[in-house]
Amino acid sequence: GENVEQHPSTLSVQEGDSAVIKCTYSDSASNYFPWYKQELGKRPQLIIDIRSNVGEKKDQRIAVTLNKTAKHFSLHITETQPEDSAVYFCAASFAGGGADGLTFGKGTHLIIQP
Amino acid sequence: DTAVSQTPKYLVTQMGNDKSIKCEQNLGHDTMYWYKQDSKKFLKIMFSYNNKELIINETVPNRFSPKSPDKAHLNLHINSLELGDSAVYFCASSQGLMAADFGEGSWLTVV
Repeated sequence: GENVEQHPSTLSVQEGDSAVIKCTYSDSASNYFPWYKQELGKRPQLIIDIRSNVGEKKDQRIAVTLNKTAKHFSLHITETQPEDSAVYFCAASFAGGGADGLTFGKGTHLIIQP
Repeated sequence: DTAVSQTPKYLVTQMGNDKSIKCEQNLGHDTMYWYKQDSKKFLKIMFSYNNKELIINETVPNRFSPKSPDKAHLNLHINSLELGDSAVYFCASSQGLMAADFGEGSWLTVV
């Protein structure tokens, strides 16, 4: 089955700086890679996703890159703000019409220092 | 309107009891899931259910059983609860190549 590794487990950055979270996956058949943000006591919420036919995707301050050859993908947050503090999860799945579900990384606790 | 709703939100129960968590989605999605989030925040899929096909994560004990009366509902029944079952259980749903939408979670504490 799929295995997703996520680093770092904790990331502390100064407000206004950039944050980068990296993930690797093991199953070359995986073709869908979402990122979720989970605030304390809340549900995971999708912030951005990328499919295997795309190398990069951007949405305002958030961007995701995918390297299929190396089987790794990254989340980039620019101009970080206090409300970006949360746990971020990467995930991978084979969205081929089956009910495989998402395999998640272990999460990164992002702390934005004022 | 809440897209994926689950009840109860909090559940405290004694070891050995049997309990159920209910989930409903009003998004018209074909696939529903149950995920478990442990004390270390690790999210792991337990079950997925698509067009009456159940896919079970092999690591899930058979004390856990999903029940789907229709496409919009996927309930989770747990027999003989153990201390290690204490966790947050998230229901989710998805359609085709779309991302999964998660419910608010059910905090289960076994004492």
